[in-house]
Amino acid sequence: GAVVSQHPSWVICKSGTSVKIECRSLDFQATTMFWYRQFPKQSLMLMATSNEGSKATYEQGVEKDKFLINHASLTLSTLTVTSAHPEDSSFYICSARMAGGSRTDTQYFGPGTRLTVL
Amino acid sequence: AQSVAQPEDQVNVAEGNPLTVKCTYSVSGNPYLFWYVQYPNRGLQFLLKYITGDNLVKGSYGFEAEFNKSQTSFHLKKPSALVSDSALYFCAVRDKANDYKLSFGAGTTVTVRA
Repeated sequence: GAVVSQHPSWVICKSGTSVKIECRSLDFQATTMFWYRQFPKQSLMLMATSNEGSKATYEQGVEKDKFLINHASLTLSTLTVTSAHPEDSSFYICSARMAGGSRTDTQYFGPGTRLTVL
Repeated sequence: AQSVAQPEDQVNVAEGNPLTVKCTYSVSGNPYLFWYVQYPNRGLQFLLKYITGDNLVKGSYGFEAEFNKSQTSFHLKKPSALVSDSALYFCAVRDKANDYKLSFGAGTTVTVRA
């Protein structure tokens, strides 16, 4: 149980285009989803917190107009990188926090999406 | 502000030997502590957590961690390491008052040699 999927697992795009990444909780409902960014051999940097039905909360320094987050349901959150540039190339990981139950305190992570912007 | 520190960038052990990955934390209230493991080009896998109760927490794949409040530590341990345990390990802390955000340590690369 507690499986989180991401799609696509990797994507290559041209500079200036937009890319959408999906994060789904497959066997549970997620009250909150989180989006992280990870550079090679570095830790995870929290980008934003996404709550179902409300606007995302962005961390300081993260451009909300560039990284659009939509949490349309309790099982789906999307991250859209708008007008992508090579510096946006990174490994993007989502996580989901289970709603209710004894496992509410655990975040379950997706497998990540490798974005390369040419 | 909450934070965790992983003082070792790398840990190298021989297969069959004990494995310890260190983590210390800093929070204003009661800590919620987690260990995750990451394999190359993959997301994080949950290993174990400490919320309350017994200081020795047992998790997945034979790992355990000991919560030590006086030393503000939460070291990850495995009595007998396997080559397949080679991966990147992250310690994380959550401040419940902070909207359930996790703060991660820098990570420790574990290499288990055959």
